[in-house]
Amino acid sequence: ETGVTQSPTHLIKTRGQQVTLRCSSQSGHNTVSWYQQALGQGPQFIFQYYREEENGRGNFPPRFSGLQFPNYSSELNVNALELDDSALYLCAFGGYSYEQYFGPGTRLTVT
Amino acid sequence: AQKVTQAQTEISVVEKEDVTLDCVYETRDTTYYLFWYKQPPSGELVFLIRRNSFDEQNEISGRYSWNFQKSTSSFNFTITASQVVDSAVYFCALGTSYDKVIFGPGTSLSVIP
Repeated sequence: ETGVTQSPTHLIKTRGQQVTLRCSSQSGHNTVSWYQQALGQGPQFIFQYYREEENGRGNFPPRFSGLQFPNYSSELNVNALELDDSALYLCAFGGYSYEQYFGPGTRLTVT
Repeated sequence: AQKVTQAQTEISVVEKEDVTLDCVYETRDTTYYLFWYKQPPSGELVFLIRRNSFDEQNEISGRYSWNFQKSTSSFNFTITASQVVDSAVYFCALGTSYDKVIFGPGTSLSVIP
């Protein structure tokens, strides 16, 4: 039990739509990262937020954006959904030099 | 380039056997961090261990042990006397200031009773 929650658990969207995923932690970590995990692959780093500002980004287009709130919870927004966006989206609290505490993920299916 | 390779895609062992999961990494950073995570069928990634690049001491935690060798850029993970509950996908990961945390493709371990 990591104390990290994500909502919703599952989501089905249509190509071209927009989606918002949410993540929060009981522990108050000030660094949150988002990952995309396609089926059968390792998590791919999307971006990281530290004290409400993006401070690192992986190889993802600008239609992937995020927010971090003063209570350190976070949102991942994806615009203009594509079929390849279907994946498990994981958030994690903790930085690159520390263990990260992952949530259970949101399974997004784009049809 | 920053990269993590886990050459073993799937491993199957009989309960009580020992098993080693291989991890090879690439980075030009002199300061970096290595991790192992476990992902059971439920999907939630569970942290197992963290090592920094200046600490090459091997570590043992119960049935788990880790062998960090900078000379070969490897960070291997051994489970002794495997149990059915060890069945999961195991990820090796590299943390650097440039690319944040990079995960390997994972090794799926099946422990057969």
